[in-house]
Amino acid sequence: GQQVMQIPQYQHVQEGEDFTTYCNSSTTLSNIQWYKQRPGGHPVFLIQLVKSGEVKKQKRLTFQFGEAKKNSSLHITATQTTDVGTYFCAAISSGSARQLTFGSGTQLTVLP
Amino acid sequence: EAGVAQSPRYKIIEKRQSVAFWCNPISGHATLYWYQQILGQGPKLLIQFQNNGVVDDSQLPKDRFSAERLKGVDSTLKIQPAKLEDSAVYLCASSPRLAASTDTQYFGPGTRLTVL
Repeated sequence: GQQVMQIPQYQHVQEGEDFTTYCNSSTTLSNIQWYKQRPGGHPVFLIQLVKSGEVKKQKRLTFQFGEAKKNSSLHITATQTTDVGTYFCAAISSGSARQLTFGSGTQLTVLP
Repeated sequence: EAGVAQSPRYKIIEKRQSVAFWCNPISGHATLYWYQQILGQGPKLLIQFQNNGVVDDSQLPKDRFSAERLKGVDSTLKIQPAKLEDSAVYLCASSPRLAASTDTQYFGPGTRLTVL
């Protein structure tokens, strides 16, 4: 079945440092979504990428979809303590039933 | 707009007992999902409904798990009998349209199940 690999599994940064998480698939993806889950909370949708090479920004967050639509990244500039949580990518592969396959997530800790 | 509601929020049972979870999706949302999230992992889809019909239950352990969505609104997920490895958070999510892969999924707060 569809597998989505996400790295790193954990990341500790000092407040103000940048952070990046990567998502990779062995198959072409029709689209990719990113979710954030705060400790003890539930996943909350951040953004969706659909087009090859697409780049979207939300304030300090930059999301990219690879040219081959097999990888994606989330970059946070100048992290804040409010960025703490686990970031998941979730993908639907081309031609499959319309189910999301979540990556294993990157747990971000921001040290004040 | 009210979000996805789930109950109970927490449940502790002994192995071999039965348990049921309830989900009320966002009003008007056609598609409903049940996910299992084991600690330290991403959510894994168990079953997907469109209105009251099952679209995908390929990862549902059907020997012990069952789910229904009568009248295409609320849904229940049951485990009978529970095993230790069923300890997880069970998340319900909904999305507005039928078979729309680009739809955002809205998650409920989840039910944390502990099997002793």
